[in-house]
Amino acid sequence: DSGVTQTPKHLITATGQRVTLRCSPRSGDLSVYWYQQSLDQGLQFLIQYYNGEERAKGNILERFSAQQFPDLHSELNLSSLELGDSALYFCASSVVARTGDTEAFFGQGTRLTVV
Amino acid sequence: GENVEQHPSTLSVQEGDSAVIKCTYSDSASNYFPWYKQELGKGPQLIIDIRSNVGEKKDQRIAVTLNKTAKHFSLHITETQPEDSAVYFCAARRTSGSRLTFGEGTQLTVNP
Repeated sequence: DSGVTQTPKHLITATGQRVTLRCSPRSGDLSVYWYQQSLDQGLQFLIQYYNGEERAKGNILERFSAQQFPDLHSELNLSSLELGDSALYFCASSVVARTGDTEAFFGQGTRLTVV
Repeated sequence: GENVEQHPSTLSVQEGDSAVIKCTYSDSASNYFPWYKQELGKGPQLIIDIRSNVGEKKDQRIAVTLNKTAKHFSLHITETQPEDSAVYFCAARRTSGSRLTFGEGTQLTVNP
């Protein structure tokens, strides 16, 4: 168990709908990352938050947004869903240290199926 | 930005043999290189990592080597076991707290 919790584990929804994926980072981790993993593909970086503020953006669609709350949990919002948005969505967390690198630990993911 | 290439995409070995997976990266400023193992239906699990001030690191049957000049790093698994079967991802990171850029993954199958 990595200590990173993602809910729900599975989500099935129709095209055009909106969903929210939730991530609780490891205790003490201030940084949260979201990744998308499509079928037979690698992990594509979407967005990073650090202590409530957006820190970096990857190839995240305009239909997608995220936020990190004061208790450090994060939510990824996906709207106007399309069939191609079906994928595994992973959250990872890490401690950002001034003096050294820290490991990133991943949750178990949310499998989103758009029908 | 950073680009990480990983080879091979699939690797099949007999139990007890060694397995080697190789990655190259493009950004010479990258200084942290982790390896993740992903089993079916699970999230990526960190199995070993190496920083740019080290050339090699071992942890039991797993080792990672880094060649900064050539900008490539490799994962070595010795005495493979069926439970080593999984998808393995390499990654690179530029600075502390920044994103990881992943390779495309290697499906390792260890045949009993």
